[in-house]
Amino acid sequence: GQNIDQPTEMTATEGAIVQINCTYQTSGFNGLFWYQQHAGEAPTFLSYNVLDGLEEKGRFSSFLSRSKGYSYLLLKELQMKDSASYLCAVRDQNSGYALNFGKGTSLLVTP
Amino acid sequence: DAGVTQSPTHLIKTRGQQVTLRCSPKSGHDTVSWYQQALGQGPQFIFQYYEEEERQRGNFPDRFSGHQFPNYSSELNVNALLLGDSALYLCASSLRLGADTQYFGPGTRLTVL
Repeated sequence: GQNIDQPTEMTATEGAIVQINCTYQTSGFNGLFWYQQHAGEAPTFLSYNVLDGLEEKGRFSSFLSRSKGYSYLLLKELQMKDSASYLCAVRDQNSGYALNFGKGTSLLVTP
Repeated sequence: DAGVTQSPTHLIKTRGQQVTLRCSPKSGHDTVSWYQQALGQGPQFIFQYYEEEERQRGNFPDRFSGHQFPNYSSELNVNALLLGDSALYLCASSLRLGADTQYFGPGTRLTVL
């Protein structure tokens, strides 16, 4: 099985930078995903990491360290619309192509 | 280009009833996965369909069953509904089995009374 841990809630100020951490335990790591989910809406894909290192996409970056079972999502120049839940999900080769999600981190961006 | 669509948007049922939820994948996608998301939790994988067959299943009882049609659309059926089945049911499609990115639909909010 997999254990995925991420903070329950975070608060940050508009214009600032926030880092959302995710740790996981898996025997057959095969990719880590970040999704954004606004209340009452579908999760939307943000990033995918399968190799160690940093992937940058505009204001969002995602980092992976497979040896440490650790990832983070970095959000820069925060905007009010970034207030949402951020879901970390791991794919395990022993579980095929299913995504195993953490409980999500609820981010509140304040003025 | 239409994304993933699901119907109905909301549904209210009583305990013991049966429900069918529907999903149409994103254009060009042939693989559909279903997830259950309880309030305040992350989505939990139910099962995945490819080429009209269930390819993988999560830790859900047999009351949860599904189907995929030749046009790649899919149905999720839940029998003998329990109060604990109240959740948001999400459908996700991908370009092929094993594709890196799954695209989610807006979900069906099921309430069991």
